[in-house]
Amino acid sequence: AQSVTQLDSQVPVFEEAPVELRCNYSSSVSVYLFWYVQYPNQGLQLLLKYLSGSTLVKGINGFEAEFNKSQTSFHLRKPSVHISDTAEYFCAVRLPQGGSEKLVFGKGTKLTVNP
Amino acid sequence: GAGVSQSPSNKVTEKGKDVELRCDPISGHTALYWYRQSLGQGLEFLIYFQGNSAPDKSGLPSDRFSAERTGGSVSTLTIQRTQQEDSAVYLCASSSYTGIGYGYTFGSGTRLTVV
Repeated sequence: AQSVTQLDSQVPVFEEAPVELRCNYSSSVSVYLFWYVQYPNQGLQLLLKYLSGSTLVKGINGFEAEFNKSQTSFHLRKPSVHISDTAEYFCAVRLPQGGSEKLVFGKGTKLTVNP
Repeated sequence: GAGVSQSPSNKVTEKGKDVELRCDPISGHTALYWYRQSLGQGLEFLIYFQGNSAPDKSGLPSDRFSAERTGGSVSTLTIQRTQQEDSAVYLCASSSYTGIGYGYTFGSGTRLTVV
């Protein structure tokens, strides 16, 4: 069975500092990988996705992620965060199984950006 | 509509009562998903509808949970004889492409509180 592990449940950083949110997955076959962001009292918004091709994926709001097949990781990075990046971030993996397709999510990482 | 619409946004119900949660997906999206988000638990897959195919109900936690999708559009998630452990945010998502990983568009969710 596939699973997604987000290694940090909470990450506090100061404004304008770089940040990395870690995500590891377990799967024996090719996967599609996603990062979503959830602002307070809102649904999830897609930040970026890896389907194939270049392992460095750029998303919205200045975020990027790198797919590392050998380490089964898909860490999310931003070189300089803003207060408005305070939110919860979810890593997810999608694998079609027997005609059914669903995303499996990690438990999320709460990013808090302090002034 | 422009996005995935869920209603009600908040629902407080007494233990033992039945509740219905509604999801109106983006027009034309053939795939529809229900997830449950509990505090600190990430997102738990519940059920997946794709076109006219039989739904994937593998994530429904008990036979008190059921869902239907009428006319390939609006979906209703029904929880019978609610229990306190059913308290969570129920998120609906829809997708237009399931084979090439375009990701999902989520609604803002229904916060269910069972008292």
